[in-house]
Amino acid sequence: KAGVTQTPRYLIKTRGQQVTLSCSPISGHRSVSWYQQTPGQGLQFLFEYFSETQRNKGNFPGRFSGRQFSNSRSEMNVSTLELGDSALYLCASSKTGNTEAFFGQGTRLTVV
Amino acid sequence: TQLLEQSPQFLSIQEGENLTVYCNSSSVFSSLQWYRQEPGEGPVLLVTVVTGGEVKKLKRLTFQFGDARKDSSLHITAAQPGDTGLYLCAGAGAGGTSYGKLTFGQGTILTVHP
Repeated sequence: KAGVTQTPRYLIKTRGQQVTLSCSPISGHRSVSWYQQTPGQGLQFLFEYFSETQRNKGNFPGRFSGRQFSNSRSEMNVSTLELGDSALYLCASSKTGNTEAFFGQGTRLTVV
Repeated sequence: TQLLEQSPQFLSIQEGENLTVYCNSSSVFSSLQWYRQEPGEGPVLLVTVVTGGEVKKLKRLTFQFGDARKDSSLHITAAQPGDTGLYLCAGAGAGGTSYGKLTFGQGTILTVHP
């Protein structure tokens, strides 16, 4: 069974640009969550989607957004990039009603 | 705000030693999970504990969930270099509607020297 797949693995963007990250969950998993990981703040919850609906949102500015498609694949978008957005962005999928999260390898975003 | 305080932040030990990592909170969680993460990779789930007082063993790793479901510990017996990595505790289900949201501790960076 394939795991969670995130693309791309690495990205370098310039301040002010926008970026879209993609996540394909484990087959059959309908819940997809996104996290930002930085050395200073650790892993912080961005948002969670289930059946194309955002059910929960973390404490991030509106520049961070996401969506989920009917096949459960998800994308997150960051607009007007800032240097502080440099981080490892992790996507996790879960079975319905289960709190166990299965993470992808992440997308390393560097903003210069 | 639900916080998970994880300690110690860094642990450097010799092969064969035992160690314990702690995860404490003032919030009650419906479940608590432990993950291990290696550089450049995503966290990998080790175990989930659900019931207060629960103890789970995974080879040389022993996980405990506090009676009040506010704290947890991870004990490694006879650590090996292959145990090196970042260990993360994560709580789920605190405060009602928290779909898909895990609250993570800051992590413990474990280095086991041969």
